[in-house]
Amino acid sequence: DTAVSQTPKYLVTQMGNDKSIKCEQNLGHDTMYWYKQDSKKFLKIMFSYNNKELIINETVPNRFSPKSPDKAHLNLHINSLELGDSAVYFCASSQERGGRPGELFFGEGSRLTVL
Amino acid sequence: AQRVTQPEKLLSVFKGAPVELKCNYSYSGSPELFWYVQYSRQRLQLLLRHISRESIKGFTADLNKGETSFHLKKPFAQEEDSAMYYCALGDGGFKTIFGAGTRLFVKA
Repeated sequence: DTAVSQTPKYLVTQMGNDKSIKCEQNLGHDTMYWYKQDSKKFLKIMFSYNNKELIINETVPNRFSPKSPDKAHLNLHINSLELGDSAVYFCASSQERGGRPGELFFGEGSRLTVL
Repeated sequence: AQRVTQPEKLLSVFKGAPVELKCNYSYSGSPELFWYVQYSRQRLQLLLRHISRESIKGFTADLNKGETSFHLKKPFAQEEDSAMYYCALGDGGFKTIFGAGTRLFVKA
């Protein structure tokens, strides 16, 4: 009965490869997010989708492409991986309340290591 | 620009001592502020939000608009409070901006 689940939890890959991280939420929320946590534990928003529409797209290289096939899923595809992409990627979801996001529910994170 | 500042990367206190984790924000509108916590081997989760004005696990946080602060306080720290704490700001839209986090270590 996990609320927000991400796969894989760990991903080790070579520079230049393409990889995807998947996220699913069973909370019925209408908004989903991708956050990046760097080695200093700083948490930075990357993307957000509301009802399958992209609403937040921070300054992220276009090698990163989110895709939301439906409200319950938000996947992150990364092309041509670079060393600096190594981080923990967190998926989150929330339910809009009066035009504002409610509490964020986070997945466990996906630790990406680029060699 | 919207910003959340947590000046302490690490805070170490003894069990039973008071603890205060500092958070300052920069925001031109009416802020919505949160504290999130990440315990070891657990996912990041909401601890409290300023509009609730409640105490969770003995923690409280008061929004001080004059000082643009939202410090997290607990009168008597417990070992199980050891965790990473993030102050966060809702920007009025769908973006929640996080501070850099403070790791709290409560010593026995």
